Amino acid sequence: KAGVTQTPRYLIKTRGQQVTLSCSPISGHRSVSWYQQTPGQGLQFLFEYFSETQRNKGNFPGRFSGRQFSNSRSEMNVSTLELGDSALYLCASSFPTNEQYFGPGTRLTVT
Amino acid sequence: GENVEQHPSTLSVQEGDSAVIKCTYSDSASNYFPWYKQELGKRPQLIIDIRSNVGEKKDQRIAVTLNKTAKHFSLHITETQPEDSAVYFCAASEDFGNEKLTFGTGTRLTIIP
Repeated sequence: KAGVTQTPRYLIKTRGQQVTLSCSPISGHRSVSWYQQTPGQGLQFLFEYFSETQRNKGNFPGRFSGRQFSNSRSEMNVSTLELGDSALYLCASSFPTNEQYFGPGTRLTVT
Repeated sequence: GENVEQHPSTLSVQEGDSAVIKCTYSDSASNYFPWYKQELGKRPQLIIDIRSNVGEKKDQRIAVTLNKTAKHFSLHITETQPEDSAVYFCAASEDFGNEKLTFGTGTRLTIIP
């Protein structure tokens, strides 16, 4: 099976702009989780989608949102970008087991 | 919410020796404990996991132990090799239906040839 894919791999944005990141899970996986990875805060959970519904949410502001489509592909959106949003954004897919497999990530730089 | 602490933050081991990384968690509802290996510039890779109904699990040179009473779990790597050098993360979550992983802060393991 093909692994989890994420697009784009690298992104440079300016403060105040918005960005949309995409994640395609492993075929057959119905759950997609998103994580933010930074040197200072480590790996932090953003949210999880299952069957097009947000099932869990982490402690991030409302500027961070996501959605999942009927084919299990997921997108996350960050509005009004801040410098502190610069990070590696990782998605992971799972289900029916809860073993999560990560994509390569999208490296977002906010200037 | 869940809090996972991981020690040590850095670990240097002679090639061929064993390495042990320890984690503690706070939420007694946590039942699933995976370990991830992340090489520089790459994605976290699931290397082994354990569920609360099991005390120990082994896969070749890697083993994980779990003590639910004490709320701690450990990763053991034996006969270390240079390719084991990476950052290792422990994590915890409730079981099926709650995919939120709470991660430890990571251990940078360096294998000295």
